[in-house]
Amino acid sequence: DVKVTQSSRYLVKRTGEKVFLECVQDMDHENMFWYRQDPGLGLRLIYFSYDVKMKEKGDIPEGYSVSREKKERFSLILESASTNQTSMYLCASMGGVRPQHFGDGTRLSIL
Amino acid sequence: RKEVEQDPGPFNVPEGATVAFNCTYSNSASQSFFWYRQDCRKEPKLLMSVYSSGNEDGRFTAQLNRASQYISLLIRDSKLSDSATYLCVVNPPPGEYGNKLVFGAGTILRVKS
Repeated sequence: DVKVTQSSRYLVKRTGEKVFLECVQDMDHENMFWYRQDPGLGLRLIYFSYDVKMKEKGDIPEGYSVSREKKERFSLILESASTNQTSMYLCASMGGVRPQHFGDGTRLSIL
Repeated sequence: RKEVEQDPGPFNVPEGATVAFNCTYSNSASQSFFWYRQDCRKEPKLLMSVYSSGNEDGRFTAQLNRASQYISLLIRDSKLSDSATYLCVVNPPPGEYGNKLVFGAGTILRVKS
């Protein structure tokens, strides 16, 4: 079974802090994704990566950056956290045209 | 127009009922289709893929109508444990930068005893 692991289930940070969310997958998938999910808005794609060191903006990249130095790891960075970035963050990986597999999610609160 | 559209519901049904959800997609060249299930405060999990000829998995039946660009999910003999949000998911043609899925906002199902 595919395993996608996110570093934290719950995280509380302060406004202006730099926040790192880590995601690791064990299936050698080339594609990895970061989403945020808010009530009534569904899943919104922040960034995705189709190969090491390759990244593409999703639908809502503002205020975020990403890093993919190794194939198995995809990091989401909030450069200067703001309260409107309080959300559930979900990482996913995908090989080819197969379905995506998600991590457990990180509930991030920015105070 | 959204790439993938679903009725948000909620659909409130009694145990044992049959319920159906529809979903429409905008890109006629989309390649593959899925239904995901998401429980409250949990991550989405793949429920089933949707094949052109239609497919069944126990009480769940998925169908695809490419001409009308919609996908359906039918749940028979609903159980309390079927209560969840059901996400319609479409794989558009691969872009210049690889493959991704597009998620609908989800349909809420509540099964009551």
